[in-house]
Amino acid sequence: QKEVEQNSGPLSVPEGAIASLNCTYSDRGSQSFFWYRQYSGKSPELIMFIYSNGDKEDGRFTAQLNKASQYVSLLIRDSQPSDSATYLCAVKKGTYKYIFGTGTRLKVLA
Amino acid sequence: EPEVTQTPSHQVTQMGQEVILRCVPISNHLYFYWYRQILGQKVEFLVSFYNNEISEKSEIFDDQFSVERPDGSNFTLKIRSTKLEDSAMYFCASSEAGLAIYNEQFFGPGTRLTVL
Repeated sequence: QKEVEQNSGPLSVPEGAIASLNCTYSDRGSQSFFWYRQYSGKSPELIMFIYSNGDKEDGRFTAQLNKASQYVSLLIRDSQPSDSATYLCAVKKGTYKYIFGTGTRLKVLA
Repeated sequence: EPEVTQTPSHQVTQMGQEVILRCVPISNHLYFYWYRQILGQKVEFLVSFYNNEISEKSEIFDDQFSVERPDGSNFTLKIRSTKLEDSAMYFCASSEAGLAIYNEQFFGPGTRLTVL
């Protein structure tokens, strides 16, 4: 079982729709979770992090965490073509190590 | 806005040669990281570094790799004898805190390493 799993996509949504990106993780002891956006050929850019069960909202983005199900998701409201990128889920393992998923490619269609 | 910088942006080397990838973390950050991303694959953790020593390393980070903070600003990754499979994008990252349950890592733009 992979430590962090994501559907590779592509996930295509029309402009203005809600994009829903999902991630599962295998280590039940994981405490903090991060969503990064990566444009092609560029470095990862942090969107938001979450460490408590429930929802966390930041502008058009909402992260959701369910530790019982070992599941974390990212919702993007009012999706824009500029949101088209690969979204990486990362889990902090222990004190100093971060495990990334393979990423989900999102395409927002104008 | 402070940022992590990396040099060179692209390095081409022959198999078996040594390469040094350089990073300048954000000035008040204390925790430093190297990741690699093979084309089309996921970002892989290599090593974390704090207080002039390795905090944690992955199974990828074998004896051919080493890290160093030679002065107060640079953080380097050395690959001693490069192999074809070392061709990848190498990202440096830094964070202000490490022990917090969360800490925001800032990534540099990366160095693309091509081993011929």
